[in-house]
Amino acid sequence: EAQVTQNPRYLITVTGKKLTVTCSQNMNHEYMSWYRQDPGLGLRQIYYSMNVEVTDKGDVPEGYKVSRKEKRNFPLILESPSPNQTSLYFCASSLDLSATNEKLFFGSGTQLSVL
Amino acid sequence: SQQGEEDPQALSIQEGENATMNCSYKTSINNLQWYRQNSGRGLVHLILIRSNEREKHSGRLRVTLDTSKKSSSLLITASRAADTASYFCATDGLGAQKLVFGQGTRLTINP
Repeated sequence: EAQVTQNPRYLITVTGKKLTVTCSQNMNHEYMSWYRQDPGLGLRQIYYSMNVEVTDKGDVPEGYKVSRKEKRNFPLILESPSPNQTSLYFCASSLDLSATNEKLFFGSGTQLSVL
Repeated sequence: SQQGEEDPQALSIQEGENATMNCSYKTSINNLQWYRQNSGRGLVHLILIRSNEREKHSGRLRVTLDTSKKSSSLLITASRAADTASYFCATDGLGAQKLVFGQGTRLTINP
């Protein structure tokens, strides 16, 4: 089954404690992206990647890092989480490198709370 | 800034009725997509309509696109309780290589 798998589903952490949210897709997509969703602000893109070792900033990249060492995986790293990074996070992938001509496949989401 | 804006923000109807949601955007687009999100879950793609298309159907869904008015509508016919969700439009923002989402319409179907 074609899917984007995110882990964990829920995560509670404390300020400053490094964490990684994993994302993996089994569709051989080259394009992958991270979004955060906040009430009243909608979905905002954090980072995206169009190929292995190619990553680029989205609209809200501050405080986040990503890596793309393999095509299937695109982890999101918070080196020093802060309470304003409390949010619902989504990983997505697409067959289309611009992510506009084909649909995006989304993971189930990671609800992060930073205390 | 967001490219697409949905209207209304919230909609509550009785099961069996039709639901119409609208999306307006600011600049020229190549494609417009609609997604559904069940509470707190990942978004699921519904329909992609290209700028040279005016209408598209998928099951009980009908999407229209009016590029002269920079607007799109999503019609769900014969609504069911399972259609309760948030619905988002997404456009290619300002011709850039990314999809920009609106804030969504929260649809509630009352049994």
